[in-house]
Amino acid sequence: ETGVTQSPTHLIKTRGQQVTLRCSSQSGHNTVSWYQQALGQGPQFIFQYYREEENGRGNFPPRFSGLQFPNYSSELNVNALELDDSALYLCASSLSDNEQFFGPGTRLTVL
Amino acid sequence: TQLLEQSPQFLSIQEGENLTVYCNSSSVFSSLQWYRQEPGEGPVLLVTVVTGGEVKKLKRLTFQFGDARKDSSLHITAAQPGDTGLYLCAGRNRRSLRGAGSYQLTFGKGTKLSVIP
Repeated sequence: ETGVTQSPTHLIKTRGQQVTLRCSSQSGHNTVSWYQQALGQGPQFIFQYYREEENGRGNFPPRFSGLQFPNYSSELNVNALELDDSALYLCASSLSDNEQFFGPGTRLTVL
Repeated sequence: TQLLEQSPQFLSIQEGENLTVYCNSSSVFSSLQWYRQEPGEGPVLLVTVVTGGEVKKLKRLTFQFGDARKDSSLHITAAQPGDTGLYLCAGRNRRSLRGAGSYQLTFGKGTKLSVIP
């Protein structure tokens, strides 16, 4: 059984650019949640996708958007990058509201 | 906005010592989870506590959920270097938006534990 994987591992962008992060959920899981973890902080909930539709959103602006595909993999898109967007982005997959399993994260640096 | 305060923020102890980490909130959660996160990895679930006053043990780790379901503690007995990591508590509340519903996790900032051999 393959766990949650994320790509890329690291990414460097400049202010104003756009970025797409990818997450492959664990086999059999239909729900993906995305979190932002700034340095020295705990993860903050961005949004969740359940069966290809957004199913809840945290306190993040609309330039943070996402998609979930029929195979339940997911993308996080961030437009107009700001310096404060530098963080570890984590995705977690689950079967509906059961335990969430986290991927290793994508480290985004915005210069 | 629901907030979880963890204390201490940093903890450095010698191997064999005992320690307690606290997680406090002014909000009630339906359940509370503890995770451990190591550098370069995502958080890994250690335990979920659901009932007020509940105590769960996982080898040398003891987890307690407060009677009012607003606070929790993690006690480690005879700490070992392998216990080093970031310990996160997360409150769970149900959000029944669609289908089976979903849980939103609210994380604390974490306690960074270093166990020195």
